[in-house]
Amino acid sequence: DVLVTQSPPSLSASVGDSVTITCRASQDIRDYLNWYQQKPGKAPNLLIYGASRLQRGAPSRFSGRGFGTDFTLTISSLQPEDFATYYCQQSSGTPITFGPGTRLDNK
Amino acid sequence: QLQLQESGPGLVRPSETLSLSCSVSGDSIRSIDYYWAWVRQTPGKGLEWIGGVYYSGSTHDNPSLKSRVTVSIDTSQNQFFLKMTSVTAEDTAIYFCARMDSRSSATPLDHWGPGTRVTVSS
Repeated sequence: DVLVTQSPPSLSASVGDSVTITCRASQDIRDYLNWYQQKPGKAPNLLIYGASRLQRGAPSRFSGRGFGTDFTLTISSLQPEDFATYYCQQSSGTPITFGPGTRLDNK
Repeated sequence: QLQLQESGPGLVRPSETLSLSCSVSGDSIRSIDYYWAWVRQTPGKGLEWIGGVYYSGSTHDNPSLKSRVTVSIDTSQNQFFLKMTSVTAEDTAIYFCARMDSRSSATPLDHWGPGTRVTVSS
């Protein structure tokens, strides 16, 4: 299986800050990497697919970069509704695997 | 607007079979562009992909579940299904159904059901 790790596990920031979350795959997954936001009691919501493509309807303050094994999700100018948990997910190989998540809290 | 909705029992006894359905509305499940998947979430293991099915009936599942899983589809009813045999307490989780967009090589899960909580207990 492709192991996916994320850092940091948790992060505190304030409205207006810019934050970056890192995702690393245990092998080359090209750009087969997606990012999701999940709020308590809700299903995950797709933000970024193919490492850098913004999902329709997702705010433009979300951006993704990376290729191969190292990827980042950046949220510029945090808004109150952005405090949530973020997951990356690889689809290079079967089974599809998810990172453990990064919890973003309001400082 | 596409909607997915899981349904099934919230309590299953150990060693029995967990059966869930996912009803899809707002679009046909009979599409070459999409794949239909099951994902579960636990506090301990996080998000775990269980398996999925294409409109043709071809399937993939997670080898870690040791062949306990069957995913199937009924295009006439616009539904797909999950069966998991020999459940244990470790199968207690929130189960989501979701659509995977196979038009993108990254096959993102772009629509999800709200999830259904399943507890395995006697």
